[in-house]
Amino acid sequence: DQQVKQNSPSLSVQEGRISILNCDYTNSMFDYFLWYKKYPAEGPTFLISISSIKDKNEDGRFTVFLNKSAKHLSLHIVPSQPGDSAVYFCAAQSETSGSRLTFGEGTQLTVNP
Amino acid sequence: NAGVTQTPKFRILKIGQSMTLQCTQDMNHNYMYWYRQDPGMGLKLIYYSVGAGITDKGEVPNGYNVSRSTTEDFPLRLELAAPSQTSVYFCASTTPKGPSGFFGPGTRLTVL
Repeated sequence: DQQVKQNSPSLSVQEGRISILNCDYTNSMFDYFLWYKKYPAEGPTFLISISSIKDKNEDGRFTVFLNKSAKHLSLHIVPSQPGDSAVYFCAAQSETSGSRLTFGEGTQLTVNP
Repeated sequence: NAGVTQTPKFRILKIGQSMTLQCTQDMNHNYMYWYRQDPGMGLKLIYYSVGAGITDKGEVPNGYNVSRSTTEDFPLRLELAAPSQTSVYFCASTTPKGPSGFFGPGTRLTVL
């Protein structure tokens, strides 16, 4: 039972353009969502998060949008840079799960110069 | 601050062997976690701990054991290694108020 899904295994964009990474979830108890970035041979690093009481959170070039009714969130990166090339994981947690996270499968983003 | 450190970085085990994956954090975090990542999959929680002496199972605990005798250390024990345990293992820590988590660099384990 995959409660958090990232349906696109990979995404390729040109430098300077927008990257949009998508994530869907099924558990309506999830109330906090996070995006992590992972480079090869490294652990994931926290990128940005959003609470279920918001529909948008912005941090520099990164913006996360949450559509609760659709159980969908997306990460926008504008403008994309070659250094953004990495695997991006969507994760979710609920109040009942404490700080335990449920992860999606990840999306490999490649930003071409 | 070294953050979260994991040893070893790589290991090859034969079926039936045992080993301990080490994890140490120097941020005085109460919460610590072990995840595994299989190819093309997200991270799955194996075990977690909310403080010294307290551990609990995650999604995929079978074949593993943990202990937490100090705040800093959270070793993961594999008994009777099986090919299905071939994976990359990540340790993470966080504070109760900080859900973001800090991850170690991972241990790549192959069981042949």
